[in-house]
Amino acid sequence: DAGITQSPRHKVTETGTPVTLRCHQTENHRYMYWYRQDPGHGLRLIHYSYGVKDTDKGEVSDGYSVSRSKTEDFLLTLESATSSQTSVYFCAISIQGNTIYFGEGSWLTVV
Amino acid sequence: QKEVEQNSGPLSVPEGAIASLNCTYSDRGSQSFFWYRQYSGKSPELIMFIYSNGDKEDGRFTAQLNKASQYVSLLIRDSQPSDSATYLCAVNSNQAGTALIFGKGTTLSVSS
Repeated sequence: DAGITQSPRHKVTETGTPVTLRCHQTENHRYMYWYRQDPGHGLRLIHYSYGVKDTDKGEVSDGYSVSRSKTEDFLLTLESATSSQTSVYFCAISIQGNTIYFGEGSWLTVV
Repeated sequence: QKEVEQNSGPLSVPEGAIASLNCTYSDRGSQSFFWYRQYSGKSPELIMFIYSNGDKEDGRFTAQLNKASQYVSLLIRDSQPSDSATYLCAVNSNQAGTALIFGKGTTLSVSS
């Protein structure tokens, strides 16, 4: 158990509404990530963080923003949700070197 | 664009057989290689990692790395129906901190 909690686990929202997904870790790890997983595309990196207030873009960052005001929390925000953002979102942390562990996932449906 | 390629499958093997899962990667600078297992509706879980050329064994699992050929594989011996899952290959990105780049996964089905 990597001590990662994602919330909400499931959400249905309407197109154009803002959505924030939260990732909480209990063990003070420096690196945190948000990935999305879609059929035919696999896991793709959205944003990552290497410390408090230190974040950077990943492969598919358009339409997403992130914030990390505390070591333990990494927030992913969809400013105006679109149907193309319907996906499963996984938060992850890096514990030793490149070894990444995932949270349980957040299933988001945009209707 | 750095890529990790896997055959999507499904790969079907009978119970007790050896399942062989393969992965190729495009970035010769990649140093770290990982195999994850993902059951339907669940998050990926780490099975093994390998950094050096050759074989690395852990129980029924063996990871094999050939950097010259840019090839990494996972062998599962004595396959069990509980091994039926999607297997994801991942390599370090070198550009996004310690993030990993993932292949799309190979679905393994083990029949009893």
